[in-house]
Amino acid sequence: GAGVSQSPRYKVAKRGQDVALRCDPISGHVSLFWYQQALGQGPEFLTYFQNEAQLDKSGLPSDRFFAERPEGSVSTLKIQRTQQEDSAVYLCASSSGGFYSPLHFGNGTRLTVT
Amino acid sequence: LAKTTQPISMDSYEGQEVNITCSHNNIATNDYITWYQQFPSQGPRFIIQGYKTKVTNEVASLFIPADRKSSTLSLPRVSLSDTAVYYCLVGVDSGGGADGLTFGKGTHLIIQP
Repeated sequence: GAGVSQSPRYKVAKRGQDVALRCDPISGHVSLFWYQQALGQGPEFLTYFQNEAQLDKSGLPSDRFFAERPEGSVSTLKIQRTQQEDSAVYLCASSSGGFYSPLHFGNGTRLTVT
Repeated sequence: LAKTTQPISMDSYEGQEVNITCSHNNIATNDYITWYQQFPSQGPRFIIQGYKTKVTNEVASLFIPADRKSSTLSLPRVSLSDTAVYYCLVGVDSGGGADGLTFGKGTHLIIQP
């Protein structure tokens, strides 16, 4: 079956531009997570959805970051007025949402802000 | 939130058994221990999960002592393709939030011929 799909795979943005990153989770997965991974570091939690409800957005670094999952399936992470420090790989993961259910990750979107 | 500590890097050779230990002194009663593997330019991939004693699957074994303050991921007879970063996570993904779903810096395992 299909895994978690993210698009685009690579994105180059000029500083100040807005970007939108898409995540298609595994069909039927209730939970969806966004992570940010800087070069040489582990993934850092950004936000979490259960179905369409955003239950935790404590990891979003600023109000320029916004995530949505309006129908409880596809999710979009939007970054407004991109800055160079936003350059990173953005990973999306989904899980069935049950206790101790493992995360299934996509291969990420590499964002480079010039 | 249980914090984990792992070695930054390890080296080994093809055909050897590799053991990576993770310390989690503040593990809570309901916490599980989960290990992920990450290759360059890919997202992390689930390897194994356990609560206590020993768990084995087709890829690895996970050893957890009685006090659960540490765990050891064991990779039997590694190959060059096992070169990757390995992350140990402690917590509960219950749908109630992201508690525990914190990745540290992981252990960079390098396998040499």
